[in-house]
Amino acid sequence: EIVMTQSPATLSVSPGERATLSCRASQSVSSDLAWYQQKPGQAPRLLIYGASTRATGIPARFSGSVSGTEFTLTISSLQSEDFAVYYCQQYNNWPPITFGQGTRLEIK
Amino acid sequence: EVQLLESGGGLVQPGGSLRLSCAASGFTFSNYDMSWVRQGPEKGLEWVSGISGSGGSTYYADSVKGRFTISRDNSKNTLYLQMNSLKAEDTAVYYCAKRQPYSSGYNFDYWGQGTLVSVSS
Repeated sequence: EIVMTQSPATLSVSPGERATLSCRASQSVSSDLAWYQQKPGQAPRLLIYGASTRATGIPARFSGSVSGTEFTLTISSLQSEDFAVYYCQQYNNWPPITFGQGTRLEIK
Repeated sequence: EVQLLESGGGLVQPGGSLRLSCAASGFTFSNYDMSWVRQGPEKGLEWVSGISGSGGSTYYADSVKGRFTISRDNSKNTLYLQMNSLKAEDTAVYYCAKRQPYSSGYNFDYWGQGTLVSVSS
């Protein structure tokens, strides 16, 4: 099973600033990595797939990148609606499909 | 508009059974793989099970293998999860999720609102 490790667990950033979230895979997953956003009481929302492709309707301030087994989600200028929990998910080697444990992005 | 509506959750005793349903609309249901993903209280996301569009292939997490059965009725546009021998650690919100087209990989572009399963005596 591929283990996905997200860091940090909690990230405090001010509105308008940049946020950088990390996700590391325990082995190569190529670019088969997705990012989701989840707000309290809501289902997850797909943001990025293929490591760097924005899903339909996702603003351009969200971007994804990869270097080896290290994946990064960057939010260029935080808006109030961006404060949420973010999960990465690998789909290169399944079953099982595996998620990271999440990063909580909070207002500083 | 794609909609996924789960139902069937509730309170059940350890060792009991429950069947979840997910009614789909707004897309050609039989063309897409579907999955169940759960989220325990104050926990992260855990993929539980997946099924191909035809229903001919099914997949399970080790934590539920042998206890849960995923199925679908394409004539009714409905996904199911039969859960037997339930344990306290199965307590979670269960989401059904639609897989993106094959070319986009096994990730999920639409999710239901979730149904809560509580296993307790």
